[in-house]
Amino acid sequence: GAVVSQHPSWVICKSGTSVKIECRSLDFQATTMFWYRQFPKQSLMLMATSNEGSKATYEQGVEKDKFLINHASLTLSTLTVTSAHPEDSSFYICSARAGPAPSPLHFGNGTRLTVT
Amino acid sequence: GDSVTQMEGPVTLSEEAFLTINCTYTATGYPSLFWYVQYPGEGLQLLLKATKADDKGSNKGFEATYRKETTSFHLEKGSVQVSDSAVYFCALSDPSDYKLSFGAGTTVTVRA
Repeated sequence: GAVVSQHPSWVICKSGTSVKIECRSLDFQATTMFWYRQFPKQSLMLMATSNEGSKATYEQGVEKDKFLINHASLTLSTLTVTSAHPEDSSFYICSARAGPAPSPLHFGNGTRLTVT
Repeated sequence: GDSVTQMEGPVTLSEEAFLTINCTYTATGYPSLFWYVQYPGEGLQLLLKATKADDKGSNKGFEATYRKETTSFHLEKGSVQVSDSAVYFCALSDPSDYKLSFGAGTTVTVRA
């Protein structure tokens, strides 16, 4: 079945540094990928929609300059957390559809980011 | 806007017990409804879905029926196993843009 691979699975970084998270669709092409953030014991919050070959669409309240999204190919989207701060510590999850909407989303295993 | 409300956990059950996780939604139009499951250390997986009123989604012994009159999509399983221990998320997809809105998740622990 459709597999979405996310890397790294966890990362620890110091305040002020930047961290890049990769999301790959392994056996299908995805023109659109989605980035979510999950706080402890809370739901997934959609951060942005990543569009291949064009700018990402950010949800209200999400800083586009802080969370840089690049969807350079049909199988790869990256999320870069710039100038990370401890409050950016969270679980980040990407997802993609293997077919046109409304086909179900397939999720990566997530990335646990800890900013010290 | 669209929203999903599901029962708070955690829920702890014994093996072979009956499981119900309540989920209600608020949406304009006619959304599709989903249940996703997140096993420990893994990403979310689609468990089942329903795309219109009165549809019943089922998978791995789990069932949920799309009830438009009560705006609900409760998840049920008649006899749970230890392997069903996971976090369960109810979600809806807005037909206008197909974005998913998730409930807060319910942690289920099944004891042997």
